[in-house]
Amino acid sequence: EVQLLESGGGLVQPGGSLRLSCVVPGVIFSGYAMSWVRQAPGKGLEWVSGISGSGAITDYAASVKGRFTISRDNSKNTLYLQMNSLRVDDTAVYYCAGRFGDFLGSFDFWGEGTLVTVSS
Amino acid sequence: DIVLTQSPGTLSLSPGERATLSCRASQSFSSSVLAWYQQKPGQAPRLLIYGASHRATGIPDRFSGSGSGTDYTLTISRLEPEDFAVYYCQQYGSTPWRFGQGTKVEIK
Repeated sequence: EVQLLESGGGLVQPGGSLRLSCVVPGVIFSGYAMSWVRQAPGKGLEWVSGISGSGAITDYAASVKGRFTISRDNSKNTLYLQMNSLRVDDTAVYYCAGRFGDFLGSFDFWGEGTLVTVSS
Repeated sequence: DIVLTQSPGTLSLSPGERATLSCRASQSFSSSVLAWYQQKPGQAPRLLIYGASHRATGIPDRFSGSGSGTDYTLTISRLEPEDFAVYYCQQYGSTPWRFGQGTKVEIK
């Protein structure tokens, strides 16, 4: 079973920055397309950003484009989400999710999530 | 953007009953890019169905998916106690990948 281990969440003030990480041990990480999906308290799921296995393809939800940057280091089996200019409505549990194969596809594996709270 | 609308918002049923959950899209897309997820309180979502009708690894056969075009259905043939949860549909054919707002299946 593929494990996804997120970290980096916490409390940050509006306008601040945070970087989330997601480690996926024991796999050939470059073979996995990855995404970040968030869930605001008591709300549904929202796809935030995705990246192909090589990192050549990235895409973002309109709500975060220009503020968030997804990246990966395949030598470290790690996915990142750099979040800048954070707003109160970015408060959510952030999940990393992935699949083996192409950029377009279902989210076969999920981490347990890391909570980001944006508040003054 | 493709918007997914799930109905009903809440389904109140008893163990052993059949659950039928609907997911309707704002525009037609290939059934090969429709997924269903289950989420229990305090847990991450879990993939149930991909390609509209294919069960993910380890998913019991009481879960089945069907549909095409704009209308998709998740059916749980006989509800087990562990099936009471929130269910989301998702299209992954084109970004932004969107989820429906969810259907909560609760114990009656």
